[in-house]
Amino acid sequence: GAGVSQSPSNKVTEKGKDVELRCDPISGHTALYWYRQSLGQGLEFLIYFQGNSAPDKSGLPSDRFSAERTGGSVSTLTIQRTQQEDSAVYLCASSYKLGAGELFFGEGSRLTVL
Amino acid sequence: AQKITQTQPGMFVQEKEAVTLDCTYDTSDPSYGLFWYKQPSSGEMIFLIYQGSYDQQNATEGRYSLNFQKARKSANLVISASQLGDSAMYFCAMREADTGGFKTIFGAGTRLFVKA
Repeated sequence: GAGVSQSPSNKVTEKGKDVELRCDPISGHTALYWYRQSLGQGLEFLIYFQGNSAPDKSGLPSDRFSAERTGGSVSTLTIQRTQQEDSAVYLCASSYKLGAGELFFGEGSRLTVL
Repeated sequence: AQKITQTQPGMFVQEKEAVTLDCTYDTSDPSYGLFWYKQPSSGEMIFLIYQGSYDQQNATEGRYSLNFQKARKSANLVISASQLGDSAMYFCAMREADTGGFKTIFGAGTRLFVKA
C-alpha cells in the first residue's frame, strides 16, 4: 500500500496474555518508529529502527516490551504478560531515512487490556 | 526534564481569526528539526510544517507558519484564517541526535477549538 499499515486496528485481550502488533512501513522507508498514546495524552516514544537495528531501546517501558524488524521492512511490537496500564493506541511511523524528512504515521493499533 | 513544552492544554479561536499555539524546546544539539503535527478526532497524525535549526527564514505552508525564535528556543505555530476543520489536537515535535541515530519526541499537545 501507499501508506503505513498497522494491524490489528483494535485488540482486546485479557490481562496476562501476550500481544503482537504489526507495522508495515511505506516502501523504501528505512527508518521506523513506535510510539504509544494513552487516551487524551501526547505521544510517548518507545523505539526506533534504522534498517533492522534499534540503537536506542531506552524508551521501552519495561522488559515485557520488545520489538524487532526483519528484512528492513515489517516490524513487530510484542507485549508480554499484558497489564491494564498497557491499554493505549500504539502508533507506528516511518520516514525515508533516519534524521531526514517528516514522519508518516499509520492509523494505530488500539489495545485494550481487560 | 521536559524537552518539548506546550503550555496550552486547550485553546479557543473564532472562525476566520488567527491563532498561535506555543511550543518551547530544550536541546544542546546544534542540529535539530522542529515539526508540527495535527491529530483530528479520527486519530490520524498529519504533518503540517517543518523548521530546521539552521534555516534562516521561518517556515510557511499555506495557512500555517512557524514562528522560530532560536535564542528563545521557541517554535510557535501560527494558523491564519482559522476554519472549523482546524479543530484538532496539535503536537509540536523535535528531532535531535540520539545514540546511533535520531529520535523524534513530542510535546503533550494543545487541543484547538474553532468556534463558528
